[in-house]
Amino acid sequence: GAGVSQSPSNKVTEKGKDVELRCDPISGHTALYWYRQSLGQGLEFLIYFQGNSAPDKSGLPSDRFSAERTGGSVSTLTIQRTQQEDSAVYLCASSPRGGGATNEQFFGPGTRLTVL
Amino acid sequence: AQTVTQSQPEMSVQEAETVTLSCTYDTSENNYYLFWYKQPPSRQMILVIRQEAYKQQNATENRFSVNFQKAAKSFSLKISDSQLGDTAMYFCAFWNYGGSQGNLIFGKGTKLSVKP
Repeated sequence: GAGVSQSPSNKVTEKGKDVELRCDPISGHTALYWYRQSLGQGLEFLIYFQGNSAPDKSGLPSDRFSAERTGGSVSTLTIQRTQQEDSAVYLCASSPRGGGATNEQFFGPGTRLTVL
Repeated sequence: AQTVTQSQPEMSVQEAETVTLSCTYDTSENNYYLFWYKQPPSRQMILVIRQEAYKQQNATENRFSVNFQKAAKSFSLKISDSQLGDTAMYFCAFWNYGGSQGNLIFGKGTKLSVKP
């Protein structure tokens, strides 16, 4: 597709369940980012993938959060044993190269996660 | 650590008027970019304008312009001839391209309402 896509658009789950959120970046973009946007807050960095390098996981809030990027393209963010404080919009972005001159990041529409 | 502060949680402006959104940041770095992103109710983050820190000239994109004051670490966004479609959350963001960090650092956003 022309832009970054994310699925599902909305996800409602029960506390304690695991969830998987998917991101399809723009074809050819080597860098991929996950951010979390809680109500009334800015975007909080979670994890960053750049090519075949080891990901920067410094923003992950706990070991319940993990992410993979297969084949340098699609990424999945997994939250295990969800808690109510995990409720937020999860945004994915990609850019042509992580260390580029402009680092313009192209965002997907996000997944709204609600943990009951 | 870098921080970005947007001191105006909400603002409103009459259609066709001009509005200025404030942003300040804190960094000890010299090589960085600053961005303004727009997030309408659709949640799709859209890049509005960017500024390279080494450039003294303020960036402009049609009705959008910035006032970049490097010494004061201030980066405000001016929207001229406001339109109803400008109604959105606006986020100021920082990227240090001199380091290994790939992610953007965002402020908490300003909710702008354009009134007819």
